[in-house]
Amino acid sequence: EPEVTQTPSHQVTQMGQEVILRCVPISNHLYFYWYRQILGQKVEFLVSFYNNEISEKSEIFDDQFSVERPDGSNFTLKIRSTKLEDSAMYFCASSPGTGNTGELFFGEGSRLTVL
Amino acid sequence: EDKVVQSPLSLVVHEGDTVTLNCSYEVTNFRSLLWYKQEKKAPTFLFMLTSSGIEKKSGRLSSILDKKELFSILNITATQTGDSAIYLCAVRRSGSARQLTFGSGTQLTVLP
Repeated sequence: EPEVTQTPSHQVTQMGQEVILRCVPISNHLYFYWYRQILGQKVEFLVSFYNNEISEKSEIFDDQFSVERPDGSNFTLKIRSTKLEDSAMYFCASSPGTGNTGELFFGEGSRLTVL
Repeated sequence: EDKVVQSPLSLVVHEGDTVTLNCSYEVTNFRSLLWYKQEKKAPTFLFMLTSSGIEKKSGRLSSILDKKELFSILNITATQTGDSAIYLCAVRRSGSARQLTFGSGTQLTVLP
């Protein structure tokens, strides 16, 4: 069964460093998302991406964050200068275009630890 | 701001018990409500509900939506230890690019 894959599964970084989290969405999907889950808290929406541009973003998704689909298969989340409070599990998700149930398919997540 | 509240926050039962998980919501231009199961990492999809009163069923799991009272329930009958997980409720607005607003989840523990 097709799945969303994410790398790395865990990344440890120093505060102020840049990190890039990578995702390969399901191949025929058109909508891509990043969510995050701080330990013990809710899953929170960060950004959605469609037709090579951001379609929506939350207030969490500030100038430190950016997304890119560099090569038609990967979908990346970059955090320019990490802060301690960026420590979280980051989930990538994708969904098909028309005719689907609205279901999002989630990857296994990338755990980011900022020291 | 969209709001999703789940109850109880945690629940411990024994195998064979039936459980009911609750989700209430406030959302502008409601489109759908989704239930996910989160065992270790990725939330996996269970149900999507858009219409009131129509039960969705998959094996021992079932769910129903009440759009008048703004809530949904997820029932699990004859629980098994493999049902132990966090159950997440999420809502989606109309016109939104399919983003979801999640509740805090219900942590279900099924003891043998």
